[in-house]
Amino acid sequence: EPEVTQTPSHQVTQMGQEVILRCVPISNHLYFYWYRQILGQKVEFLVSFYNNEISEKSEIFDDQFSVERPDGSNFTLKIRSTKLEDSAMYFCASSVVLRREGANEQFFGPGTRLTVL
Amino acid sequence: DAKTTQPPSMDCAEGRAANLPCNHSTISGNEYVYWYRQIHSQGPQYIIHGLKNNETNEMASLIITEDRKSSTLILPHATLRDTAVYYCIVRVAIGGSQGNLIFGKGTKLSVKP
Repeated sequence: EPEVTQTPSHQVTQMGQEVILRCVPISNHLYFYWYRQILGQKVEFLVSFYNNEISEKSEIFDDQFSVERPDGSNFTLKIRSTKLEDSAMYFCASSVVLRREGANEQFFGPGTRLTVL
Repeated sequence: DAKTTQPPSMDCAEGRAANLPCNHSTISGNEYVYWYRQIHSQGPQYIIHGLKNNETNEMASLIITEDRKSSTLILPHATLRDTAVYYCIVRVAIGGSQGNLIFGKGTKLSVKP
């Protein structure tokens, strides 16, 4: 069964450093998302991406964040200058477009645990 | 903020049906009800969704009241592996996409032997 993959599984970085989290969505999917979950808290939406541009973004997704689809398979989240409060689990998700009537489910990856020291 | 209300926790005996309620009294006519679950710290997993009619798939059944103000997710024969946090989410479908999912705190279901 196809699945969303994410690398690395765990990233440790120093405050102020740039990090890039990588995701490989399911191959025929066209909507891509990033969510994050701070330890013990709710899953929070960050950004959605479709047709090579951002569709929606939350208040969390400020100028420190950016997303890119550098090639036909990868989808990345970059945090330019990490802060302590960026420590969280980051989940990538993807969904297919108009596969059937109604709303197509999102498939989530296993997540990248980011620890900012 | 999430537009749904769920009990924070529930217990269920292994092999019995787990019935997880969700209130969404302010749901709009074009909003779907989605259910996801999160096992430990894994990525959320889609379970089922519906608009008006009851739905069933290989994982669960979704019962939506006629006024659509509440719904129940039914796991017919719960197993220990169904222990997870279950999220009820209400959202409009946009171009075939569920859009950005707004997760609440969900219901922590504990299946006990």
